[in-house]
Amino acid sequence: EAQVTQNPRYLITVTGKKLTVTCSQNMNHEYMSWYRQDPGLGLRQIYYSMNVEVTDKGDVPEGYKVSRKEKRNFPLILESPSPNQTSLYFCASSLLGAGNQPQHFGDGTRLSIL
Amino acid sequence: LAKTTQPISMDSYEGQEVNITCSHNNIATNDYITWYQQFPSQGPRFIIQGYKTKVTNEVASLFIPADRKSSTLSLPRVSLSDTAVYYCLVGDMGDKIIFGKGTRLHILP
Repeated sequence: EAQVTQNPRYLITVTGKKLTVTCSQNMNHEYMSWYRQDPGLGLRQIYYSMNVEVTDKGDVPEGYKVSRKEKRNFPLILESPSPNQTSLYFCASSLLGAGNQPQHFGDGTRLSIL
Repeated sequence: LAKTTQPISMDSYEGQEVNITCSHNNIATNDYITWYQQFPSQGPRFIIQGYKTKVTNEVASLFIPADRKSSTLSLPRVSLSDTAVYYCLVGDMGDKIIFGKGTRLHILP
């Protein structure tokens, strides 16, 4: 089954403790992206990747890192999480770019930073 | 990146046809128009995509006038399960993606 898998689905942690949210897709998609969703602010893009070793900042990249060492994986790294990064996070992938291709989304990761 | 403008919310009744219009005055020549549906706490789900004129699939139609400065998502005979947020996106392959706040559609019995 074609899917985008995020882990963990839920995480409660404390300020400053490094964490990684993993994202994996099994569709051989070139493009992958991370979004965060906050009440009243909609979905905002954090980082995206057009291909292996190619990443670009989205609208809200501050406080996040990503890497794309393999086509299927695109982890989101919070080196020193802060409470303002408490949010619902989605990973997505598409065959090529996301502007003219359908994106497939994961089920989301709900992060709470205390 | 072309900015999009959608109504914040809409109400309709079961069995009705619902049309949601999105304005994108600064759409570029190579931009496509894509619509997504999102239920609470779930990832957005692709509905339909088009470049010009009309596109239809099993769940919706997308109408795009010749000047492409707007588009209309048409949902035929809606049901309660169509209550969701609908997002209109405009962009090209390598663009950043801006979802905006979407249109909150509420279907009434």
